[in-house]
Amino acid sequence: DADVTQTPRNRITKTGKRIMLECSQTKGHDRMYWYRQDPGLGLRLIYYSFDVKDINKGEISDGYSVSRQAQAKFSLSLESAIPNQTALYFCATSDPSKRGVYNEQFFGPGTRLTVL
Amino acid sequence: GDSVTQMEGPVTLSEEAFLTINCTYTATGYPSLFWYVQYPGEGLQLLLKATKADDKGSNKGFEATYRKETTSFHLEKGSVQVSDSAVYFCAPASGGSYIPTFGRGTSLIVHP
Repeated sequence: DADVTQTPRNRITKTGKRIMLECSQTKGHDRMYWYRQDPGLGLRLIYYSFDVKDINKGEISDGYSVSRQAQAKFSLSLESAIPNQTALYFCATSDPSKRGVYNEQFFGPGTRLTVL
Repeated sequence: GDSVTQMEGPVTLSEEAFLTINCTYTATGYPSLFWYVQYPGEGLQLLLKATKADDKGSNKGFEATYRKETTSFHLEKGSVQVSDSAVYFCAPASGGSYIPTFGRGTSLIVHP
């Protein structure tokens, strides 16, 4: 079974709808992240959480919100989706006990979101 | 914050050709350096890493050397295979949080 799972894997929605993307992990990592990937732009950080009570904005948080329901679950919400939020979204985790030099990130398979 | 510049793709090669993907970075302090790979339809996964100057990271035939004097971390492979076709991301990580900053990615296409 995959260590980092994302649901749904694909979603098509309409402008103005509220959307939630979910991420679960079985790696036991405290740190979780949400990224979006756009062609030619690489990955950009939306939000990150170092533990259940610690949530931080990333580079492009406008239009998004997150919820860390438990160590293993980190959800991303689009309160009112717009077409330029069409992208591939990735959840990732890392282990703070290996902070710094070994801060390898482990990625989920991604959610492809299309906003019409 | 950190920034990274990767050569633009796609890079198209024939099987068994030599590969270089250039990466230069700016970072605060002394970053750790990573290359991630994204195979079609999948999430990113760590390919290799280096944590101090002159360190060479290696994995699956790929290598990259941490060059502090030129702030570079170029990815190389002596003989690419069709299965290496993927998108490659260079990512320095520094500062207190060590969250990586990803480059724009370089697509590699290897033909038989």
